[in-house]
Amino acid sequence: QVQLQESGPGLVQPSGTLSLTCAVSGDSISSNNWWSWVRQPPGERLEWIGEFHHSGRTNYNPSLKSRVAISGDKSKNQFSLNMNSVTAADTAVYYCAREGDRGYSLGYWGQGTLVTVSS
Amino acid sequence: EIVLTQSPGTLSLSPGERATLSCMTSQSINSRDLAWYQQKPGQAPRLLIYAASSRATGIPDRFSGSGSGTDFTLTISRLEPEDFAVYYCQQYDSSPPRYSFGQGTKLEIK
Repeated sequence: QVQLQESGPGLVQPSGTLSLTCAVSGDSISSNNWWSWVRQPPGERLEWIGEFHHSGRTNYNPSLKSRVAISGDKSKNQFSLNMNSVTAADTAVYYCAREGDRGYSLGYWGQGTLVTVSS
Repeated sequence: EIVLTQSPGTLSLSPGERATLSCMTSQSINSRDLAWYQQKPGQAPRLLIYAASSRATGIPDRFSGSGSGTDFTLTISRLEPEDFAVYYCQQYDSSPPRYSFGQGTKLEIK
């Protein structure tokens, strides 16, 4: 079955760059699926960050677009999130996810990783 | 941007009771674009319903979704102890492509 696993630093300095990787098993990032990043600040709702397709296409949340880049590494079957100029407001659990098999939804999720922005 | 508003914020019920959760969208949407998730503390969201009324793989039939236009409902027919969690609705907008989520409904044991 499809499994996703996030990894990356749990602490990032303010004004620095947040970098996370999502390792995929049970599917290929070269398949005809979209691969997303979603975050959830403590006690708040889910916020979609953006998505990546192996063709090179990306889509981003307009509120984050200027600071975010999502890319893929086919050789490692993983995709990554980079977010620059972070502040405390970017502290959240970050999830990677894959679109569902049917419908416009996110059917597969990683377990999530907490990233804290603090000095 | 389409805004999703869920109600109630918290729902207190007992096991065996019926739960009805609401999700309203600020504009009429295509039902294919509406999904529901369950999230338990410390866990990732779990897809329950896609396309407003289709159950995802492995989801018990006590979960059902309905609605159209701007009003959507998630119903849990008979609550089991493991159903107490936070539920989110989600809408997909294709122009430009983006997912949006409601603020969640917390279903707690009465």
